[in-house]
Amino acid sequence: QMQLVQSGPEVKKPGTSLKVSCKASGSTFTMSAMQWVRQARGQRLEWVGWIVVGSGHTNYGQKFQDRVTITWDMSTSTAYMEVNTLRAEDTAVYYCATGDGVGATVWGQGTLVTVSS
Amino acid sequence: SYELTQPPSVSVSPGQTARFTCSGDALPKQYTYWYQQKPGQAPVLVMDKDTERPSGIPERFSGSRSGTTVTLTISGVQAEDEADYYCQSPDSTDSYLMFGGGTKLTVL
Repeated sequence: QMQLVQSGPEVKKPGTSLKVSCKASGSTFTMSAMQWVRQARGQRLEWVGWIVVGSGHTNYGQKFQDRVTITWDMSTSTAYMEVNTLRAEDTAVYYCATGDGVGATVWGQGTLVTVSS
Repeated sequence: SYELTQPPSVSVSPGQTARFTCSGDALPKQYTYWYQQKPGQAPVLVMDKDTERPSGIPERFSGSRSGTTVTLTISGVQAEDEADYYCQSPDSTDSYLMFGGGTKLTVL
């Protein structure tokens, strides 16, 4: 059974950068891609982007293309999401999620990111 | 920009049928995925590729599609089904995924 464990909560100042990790364990050979999804308090799910594990190809949501970079470290089965130039509006819970196709059957526990001066 | 449209809320009594719709221009050519999210929890995939139930999802959950609209149906709603339901699908060029705005199910 696959499991995703994310790094802990972060408090950041506006204009700084953030890097969240997501370590996969278990049946990682079944993974097709790792998605990153965020959710501000009381708001909808928002797709940040994903990386295809085998090829390293990435796609990003339109509002994240200029500020987000997603990477995959095959040696440690760990995905990373880096967000630059943080703004207060980036305050949210960030999830990593994966599966053997597009549908994500396994989710991380979420990482609360707070951006505040 | 591309959007997936969901009604904000659905209310049904226990034992009734709840239907959640998701509309988008690319849906005739793209699969749709449905997630259930309860307060304080990560989402759970309840429908894969329009109509496939992932392992562990009760048979009362089913999916269908017609034109630019896909539908998630819960037959015989139970109190534990009260949650937010989100559809997810790629845009027409497979450039990105996106979520609908979500529908809140209230079990009366």
